[in-house]
Amino acid sequence: QVQLQESGPGLVKPSQTLSLTCTVSGGSISSGNYYWSWIRQHPGKGLEWIGYIYSTESTYYNPSLRSRVSISVDSSKNQFSLKLNSVTDADSAVYYCATEDTTTKGSFDSWGQGALVTVSS
Amino acid sequence: DIQMTQSPSALSASVGDRVTITCQASQDISKFLNWYQQKPGKAPKLLIYDASSLQPGVPSRFSGSGSGTYFTFTISSLQPEDIATYYCQQYDNEPSYTFGQGTKLEIK
Repeated sequence: QVQLQESGPGLVKPSQTLSLTCTVSGGSISSGNYYWSWIRQHPGKGLEWIGYIYSTESTYYNPSLRSRVSISVDSSKNQFSLKLNSVTDADSAVYYCATEDTTTKGSFDSWGQGALVTVSS
Repeated sequence: DIQMTQSPSALSASVGDRVTITCQASQDISKFLNWYQQKPGKAPKLLIYDASSLQPGVPSRFSGSGSGTYFTFTISSLQPEDIATYYCQQYDNEPSYTFGQGTKLEIK
């Protein structure tokens, strides 16, 4: 299993863009063996899948967020990133990066520790 | 979207008890269901995949069953370290995955 670590600003102003990075270790982000996902959890609430990137360029997003989200890969740094624009306080959450092995697609078997992002002026 | 409804939302049980949580899908998802355990301040951990397959390294007191729209998750003998919130997740409608709202398990 790969290891994942989120990083990025913990505070974002309303209407601005939330940007987070997930650093991958123990495996190559370009290997084609994994789908690289972002998942968020609102305080005290359940889990919401945001989207994934596969093989550095194929992406799919949750329809409810599709108009505001993008996920990209930086192969040179073995990282993938999340950008969510036009944020409101409803986007305040813990953001996790997670992976699905291509052989067990649909199952998130590796997770980062999570990054708390607060949207506030 | 496929909606996942877990029951109960909270549960209190004693050490050694058999604990069962249910998850109902809004449409047929075959066996495409996972169960996760989340302890406070931690990321979720995959316990069960394909409705009934135990993730390697997960204790055998955890089990899952079901198919179609109705699924159950069972802890055969509750241990103190099992205190957590448990989530189901469907992946039939992949890649639009959805989770249940969670079941918070406490020790009585």
